[in-house]
Amino acid sequence: AQSVAQPEDQVNVAEGNPLTVKCTYSVSGNPYLFWYVQYPNRGLQFLLKYITGDNLVKGSYGFEAEFNKSQTSFHLKKPSALVSDSALYFCAVRDGPSGTYKYIFGTGTRLKVLA
Amino acid sequence: GAGVSQSPSNKVTEKGKDVELRCDPISGHTALYWYRQRLGQGLEFLIYFQGNSAPDKSGLPSDRFSAERTGESVSTLTIQRTQQEDSAVYLCASATVGGGLFFGSGTQLSVL
Repeated sequence: AQSVAQPEDQVNVAEGNPLTVKCTYSVSGNPYLFWYVQYPNRGLQFLLKYITGDNLVKGSYGFEAEFNKSQTSFHLKKPSALVSDSALYFCAVRDGPSGTYKYIFGTGTRLKVLA
Repeated sequence: GAGVSQSPSNKVTEKGKDVELRCDPISGHTALYWYRQRLGQGLEFLIYFQGNSAPDKSGLPSDRFSAERTGESVSTLTIQRTQQEDSAVYLCASATVGGGLFFGSGTQLSVL
């Protein structure tokens, strides 16, 4: 069965510092991996995805994520954090392309960027 | 429309009543998903529809929950005999094959 783990409930980082939000996954086939962000009182927004190809994928708002097959990880990163990045971040996995279309989400990591 | 549309945005109901939540996906998206998000928690998968295939209902928490989709268009999630533990935000999302999910703003359901 698919699963996603986000080991940190909350990550605090100072503005201007690099940030990392961790995600590990488990699927039986090749993973499709995604990051979403949820701002207060707003819906979930797509940030980036890994389907195939380069292990480093770039997404919206300067975020990037690195797919590491051996460590089954897909950590979200940004070189320089902004206070406006403070939000709830969700990692998701889908067992594709020949697997189920079900997307499983992690429990979320709250990112707090301090001025 | 340009995005996924959900209605109503807020629903307050009394315990034991039935409720119906609606989702209009992005035109051309063959897949449609329902998730539940309880306060302060993650997304709980409920059900998904993919084209004309049988829906994956494996996440529905009880037989009080059901969902339908008309072709590749509107979907309704029905909760019968609502309970207080059903209070949550119900999120709908649509997708193309191989694409990411695009979410609606959700329906906040409050069962009194």
